[in-house]
Amino acid sequence: QVQHVQSGAEVKKPGASVKVSCKASGYTFNIYAIHWVRQAPGQRLEYMGWINVASGDRKYSQKFQGRVTITRDTSASTAYMELSSLTSEDTAVYYCAREHDTLTGYSFDHWGQGTLVTVSS
Amino acid sequence: QSALTQPPSASGSPGQSVTISCTGTSSDVVGYKYVSWYQHHPGKAPKLMIYEISKRPSGVPDRFSGSKSDNTASLTVSGLQAEDEAVYYCSSYAGSGNWVFGGGTKVTVL
Repeated sequence: QVQHVQSGAEVKKPGASVKVSCKASGYTFNIYAIHWVRQAPGQRLEYMGWINVASGDRKYSQKFQGRVTITRDTSASTAYMELSSLTSEDTAVYYCAREHDTLTGYSFDHWGQGTLVTVSS
Repeated sequence: QSALTQPPSASGSPGQSVTISCTGTSSDVVGYKYVSWYQHHPGKAPKLMIYEISKRPSGVPDRFSGSKSDNTASLTVSGLQAEDEAVYYCSSYAGSGNWVFGGGTKVTVL
């Protein structure tokens, strides 16, 4: 079955960086895109960006441009999201999700379990 | 990219129907048929309920339906059940590799 297993919870200090992983299984990783979405406590889902697994092409939401880097390791069927210059406002649950233009109609049909990142001094 | 507009809350009694709206612009909801809806229970991953405005993924009950008119997409949950209580988010593809989410609507089953 399709699964995305994300790395465990992280606690970071302000100004640090965090890297969250998302390991895919149960499908052909290379034909999909992986997106990252976060949810701060009590807030809405917030779109961060995505990577085309096959080509490595990436696009980031304007809000996170310059601070986020999304990468992938096709040999490990794993995508990564690194966020730098962390502040308390980056405390959130971070999710990965897969998408395909024709197979999922530009929707996110399978999500990871989420990774809690806490930024605190 | 501005968030899509959803009402903060909606409610209905068991067995009743509830409809949630999602208002966008010509850059997203109006311009594309790629509106999707997600059910989000606290502490769990969001679940895809509707994609391409009105299509249901395998396993999603037909109590869930979607539609779109002009700049507003809608999700209707018929025959409300206790397990339908959750936050529902709409999302739209916005062209050029951009996506946008709505603010979320908390559905309460009375």
